[in-house]
Amino acid sequence: KAGVTQTPRYLIKTRGQQVTLSCSPISGHRSVSWYQQTPGQGLQFLFEYFSETQRNKGNFPGRFSGRQFSNSRSEMNVSTLELGDSALYLCASSVRTGGETQYFGPGTRLLVL
Amino acid sequence: SQQGEEDPQALSIQEGENATMNCSYKTSINNLQWYRQNSGRGLVHLILIRSNEREKHSGRLRVTLDTSKKSSSLLITASRAADTASYFCATDALQGGSEKLVFGKGTKLTVNP
Repeated sequence: KAGVTQTPRYLIKTRGQQVTLSCSPISGHRSVSWYQQTPGQGLQFLFEYFSETQRNKGNFPGRFSGRQFSNSRSEMNVSTLELGDSALYLCASSVRTGGETQYFGPGTRLLVL
Repeated sequence: SQQGEEDPQALSIQEGENATMNCSYKTSINNLQWYRQNSGRGLVHLILIRSNEREKHSGRLRVTLDTSKKSSSLLITASRAADTASYFCATDALQGGSEKLVFGKGTKLTVNP
């Protein structure tokens, strides 16, 4: 099976812009989770989607949003970018829930200038 | 706050030596997982140990779990330069009726040839 794919891999934006990141999970996996990784805060959970519904949400402002499509592909959007949003954004898929083994994509590295 | 906390934060050893990393967590768990991350890339699942298991092996990896002390350890035997990576423990946490993984900040392992 193909692994989790994320696009784009690298992105440079300026403050105030918005960005959309995409994630395609492993075929048959219905749960997609998103994480933000920074040197200071480590891996922080953003949200989890299952069957097109947000099932869990981390402690991030409303500028961070996501959605999942009927084919389980997921997107996350960050509006009004801030310098502190510079991070590696990781997507992970699992068969059923966010608490079981997760399979990660390579990540999207976002730099906000 | 982080559910899992790894110790030490960084570890440097010679090839052939064993590496031991520890993880402590705060609340009850169903399972604990260990992941590896090579520099700036996605995480790779290594091993999952359930709360009713005390020890698990996978190749050169040995994981122990002590639920009474809320701690786990990951032992890598006969380390290789290719084991150089960051290692994270992750515990499942119930939030809003569904599970999610909560990651520690990781142990950065350097194996010197």
